[in-house]
Amino acid sequence: AQKVTQAQTEISVVEKEDVTLDCVYETRDTTYYLFWYKQPPSGELVFLIRRNSFDEQNEISGRYSWNFQKSTSSFNFTITASQVVDSAVYFCALSEALGGSTLGRLYFGRGTQLTVWP
Amino acid sequence: GAGVSQTPSNKVTEKGKYVELRCDPISGHTALYWYRQSLGQGPEFLIYFQGTGAADDSGLPNDRFFAVRPEGSVSTLKIQRTERGDSAVYLCASSATLAGGNNEQFFGPGTRLTVL
Repeated sequence: AQKVTQAQTEISVVEKEDVTLDCVYETRDTTYYLFWYKQPPSGELVFLIRRNSFDEQNEISGRYSWNFQKSTSSFNFTITASQVVDSAVYFCALSEALGGSTLGRLYFGRGTQLTVWP
Repeated sequence: GAGVSQTPSNKVTEKGKYVELRCDPISGHTALYWYRQSLGQGPEFLIYFQGTGAADDSGLPNDRFFAVRPEGSVSTLKIQRTERGDSAVYLCASSATLAGGNNEQFFGPGTRLTVL
């Protein structure tokens, strides 16, 4: 079973629109970490954010915001006033802190291709 | 350099050949990870090292794949008897600490492997 599900394969928006990328995760661990990475056309994964399972506070960083809800096992990512430079594939990932040999490895979703049109 | 580097950036080989992919992590990072990313997919974990030892190699698909990190820094991913299905981008990442999974992994640009 997929540990991280990103149901949206592709999203297209026009510049200045807000867009939310969905992420649903699955784990039996009580301590875990959630991540978002951006992969622009150049291919290199860029770290955006890390949250631990004990901190459900939403976070805002400029035009980016994240909504973490343990009750629905979701960690959604919103870009406000999108720009063309936001066009990329965005990955949600999970790291389980317990579990012996799985410590540290990231489980990635399949990614959401975001295209922002001018 | 300041980031994770990988060489070569592209590798084209023929089915059945042996290839080596190199990863140079960020200086001082003790943990090193290999992932494989097929077209249209998210990265899939292969193996990680804590220092010189492979702490988890459960993601290696079969015994044709092997990785080493003899001095706890540079790592080499080795693929024997390559198959067309091995074609993918191989990503390397490193992190400063492995404690509790609270690790920000910094990724390299990847090596695009094409097996003809």
